[in-house]
Amino acid sequence: DGGITQSPKYLFRKEGQNVTLSCEQNLNHDAMYWYRQDPGQGLRLIYYSQIVNDFQKGDIAEGYSVSREKKESFPLTVTSAQKNPTAFYLCASTPRAGGNLEQFFGPGTRLTVL
Amino acid sequence: AQSVTQPDIHITVSEGASLELRCNYSYGATPYLFWYVQSPGQGLQLLLKYFSGDTLVQGIKGFEAEFKRSQSSFNLRKPSVHWSDAAEYFCAVGAKAAGNKLTFGGGTRVLVKP
Repeated sequence: DGGITQSPKYLFRKEGQNVTLSCEQNLNHDAMYWYRQDPGQGLRLIYYSQIVNDFQKGDIAEGYSVSREKKESFPLTVTSAQKNPTAFYLCASTPRAGGNLEQFFGPGTRLTVL
Repeated sequence: AQSVTQPDIHITVSEGASLELRCNYSYGATPYLFWYVQSPGQGLQLLLKYFSGDTLVQGIKGFEAEFKRSQSSFNLRKPSVHWSDAAEYFCAVGAKAAGNKLTFGGGTRVLVKP
């Protein structure tokens, strides 16, 4: 089955540690996105990538980093510089840049900083 | 810049009653509009989308939405709600001129009374 997988589903981190969230898709989609979701604030865009080896900052990129070395993978690193990292993180993809913009979502990773 | 407002944070509806969720957007040209649904702890699932043509759009699970350019609105409706419709609903607007990104509203949580 084609889809987007995110791992792990739950992640616990101590303050001061970096942590990497995985996002993989087998839909052959060109563009991928990372969102952060907090209660009552909807989804906020962290980073996005429209093509391999290229990515752009979203609205809340500070304290996060990404890479896009392969078309199917777009990992997100939450660094120790992110002041309030506890949140639900969602990865999404879309078939190609310039299409109808519909995004397909993974199941999410809940990160808790202890 | 594009923006989306969902005025209702919570809505409670009785099972079998009708449901309408409001969405207002701000964007200069014709936007791409979406409604997504999210069950607790899950990713987002697309209900329906609009980018051209008939302004009344049919989606999955018996939902429909109407695009009204004069009111900058894209309200979601369902004639008869089922208990399984309890979830959070997000409206989103996108534009190719804005880098193919989606901007999400803050969401409306729907509670269904038996």
